[in-house]
Amino acid sequence: AQSVSQHNHHVILSEAASLELGCNYSYGGTVNLFWYVQYPGQHLQLLLKYFSGDPLVKGIKGFEAEFIKSKFSFNLRKPSVQWSDTAEYFCAVNVMNRDDKIIFGKGTRLHILP
Amino acid sequence: GAGVSQSPRYKVAKRGQDVALRCDPISGHVSLFWYQQALGQGPEFLTYFQNEAQLDKSGLPSDRFFAERPEGSVSTLKIQRTQQEDSAVYLCASSFASGPIQETQYFGPGTRLLVL
Repeated sequence: AQSVSQHNHHVILSEAASLELGCNYSYGGTVNLFWYVQYPGQHLQLLLKYFSGDPLVKGIKGFEAEFIKSKFSFNLRKPSVQWSDTAEYFCAVNVMNRDDKIIFGKGTRLHILP
Repeated sequence: GAGVSQSPRYKVAKRGQDVALRCDPISGHVSLFWYQQALGQGPEFLTYFQNEAQLDKSGLPSDRFFAERPEGSVSTLKIQRTQQEDSAVYLCASSFASGPIQETQYFGPGTRLLVL
């Protein structure tokens, strides 16, 4: 079945550790890719997005993600996390020219220890 | 307004009761989306409006769910004869342009619905 998979449901890191959250999708064709973040008590907001061009995308707050077409992956990275990065992170996919839906993964809850 | 607002923020309903959830998008935003987020899951698409036209309602789980946006601004998601499986957070998002993907979607705080 077509889906968006986030490998880790819950990640715990210490401050200054490096972060990589995995995301794989199973849709064929050209895709638009997103990472959304929800900080505690706040709205879901866009962290970064990939539509075309450079597969290495830089977002807010030092986050970046790399689109690897051959691996159907769009992993999120940050070299050094901060306590304020504690949040839930969602990977999402839209299949271009098919419909307008954005399909979300189940999310990864990230907890940063001070 | 400053952002997408939703009301009520919390709703407790008895099984079989009808509920109406409201979304006020950012002023001037053409596109409006409804999502359902069950506990421990990511948001799932329900329906999409471009101005007052409902262009996609394929995600609505049953005919008990109905959404409207009669004047192309405020939208209401109505659930008739609520069931326990309807318990979830209902998210509304809006975006400026008519193309739903090339523009960022801005999410509201959600309405947390609990059906007893």
